[in-house]
Amino acid sequence: TQLLEQSPQFLSIQEGENLTVYCNSSSVFSSLQWYRQEPGEGPVLLVTVVTGGEVKKLKRLTFQFGDARKDSSLHITAAQPGDTGLYLCAGARTSGSRLTFGEGTQLTVNP
Amino acid sequence: DTGVSQDPRHKITKRGQNVTFRCDPISEHNRLYWYRQTLGQGPEFLTYFQNEAQLEKSRLLSDRFSAERPKGSFSTLEIQRTEQGDSAMYLCASSLDGYRGTEAFFGQGTRLTVV
Repeated sequence: TQLLEQSPQFLSIQEGENLTVYCNSSSVFSSLQWYRQEPGEGPVLLVTVVTGGEVKKLKRLTFQFGDARKDSSLHITAAQPGDTGLYLCAGARTSGSRLTFGEGTQLTVNP
Repeated sequence: DTGVSQDPRHKITKRGQNVTFRCDPISEHNRLYWYRQTLGQGPEFLTYFQNEAQLEKSRLLSDRFSAERPKGSFSTLEIQRTEQGDSAMYLCASSLDGYRGTEAFFGQGTRLTVV
């Protein structure tokens, strides 16, 4: 069983602060996806990383895939209240195969 | 809107009743996935299809659950003799072979409440 562990589980910060969310596994993934989910809605895809060491930037969000493709991180710079939500990492063992999700990080950014 | 569409958005049913959910994937996507999510948890995999073929089923998918994708387009998930433990958000996602990794796009989900 491939297990993805996310940390922290909960994060409450003030607007303007920086934060990092971690996603770790003992298994190698062919790709890793990050999603953001709001209450009552489905997860929305933010990014896909497939190459070990890959770094992708999406405005104030920076995603990194570990060199060994076992872990990933999401860094948010100058967080805003609109960043509030549940952040989920999900790994796929092969292209097109099912995703294994972490338990999520609930982020709250206070004005 | 060309995203993944799920129907209904909400379903309240009495214990013991059967329910059926529908998912319409992004039109050119050949893979379709079903997940279940309970409060405070990440989505758990149930089953997935490549075109009309059901390629994998989770052990979570008991005999009361069945999924079909008869023409390789839309899919249905049926739960027979519902139990209170079936209350959850049921999510459908689709992806396209040959794309980077498993770039799965999710629908808005169907919230099931069994009373």
